[in-house]
Amino acid sequence: GDSVTQMEGPVTLSEEAFLTINCTYTATGYPSLFWYVQYPGEGLQLLLKATKADDKGSNKGFEATYRKETTSFHLEKGSVQVSDSAVYFCALSLQGAQKLVFGQGTRLTINP
Amino acid sequence: GAGVSQTPSNKVTEKGKYVELRCDPISGHTALYWYRQSLGQGPEFLIYFQGTGAADDSGLPNDRFFAVRPEGSVSTLKIQRTERGDSAVYLCASSLGSNVRDRGYTFGSGTRLTVV
Repeated sequence: GDSVTQMEGPVTLSEEAFLTINCTYTATGYPSLFWYVQYPGEGLQLLLKATKADDKGSNKGFEATYRKETTSFHLEKGSVQVSDSAVYFCALSLQGAQKLVFGQGTRLTINP
Repeated sequence: GAGVSQTPSNKVTEKGKYVELRCDPISGHTALYWYRQSLGQGPEFLIYFQGTGAADDSGLPNDRFFAVRPEGSVSTLKIQRTERGDSAVYLCASSLGSNVRDRGYTFGSGTRLTVV
């Protein structure tokens, strides 16, 4: 079935480090891909998205490129800040369906 | 309203009891979704409403779970004969129209349900 797999957490980095959180997916057809973020005490927020192969989503310094050939949508940021500490979820939405399929989430902690 | 509002934020109930969880979507959003998030896991889809009708209820785990949206705005998720395995955070989300592929959703902060 359709699924999303994220790299195991937790991930702990120092401020200004480079971040990569891996995400791969299995899906029939051509899904849209999303990254959601959940800051402590808050609800899930859409961080960025890509709707077709080779699209790059970007927001708040984060980027992810839809790679159809490797079925991946890795999240990257060049220089992380303490305020980026949160849980990050990769998700997909299939064509013709309204539901999202989420990965298990990756907890990121940034130390000053 | 300004965001998706869920009440209560926390609910503790005894095994076997009935609970209702409420979701108030963003004003004007026609699509409403319920998800369940167990500890350490990503959200899992339960049900999707377009207007008043359930367009997809394939994620409801069994017939103890039921959801309504009688006037196309507020929705209530109802769980009968609660079990300890129902303990989770129940998330509601809404979107303008049904184009989730382009817009994603706006989520509420969730209701944490604990069955003791």
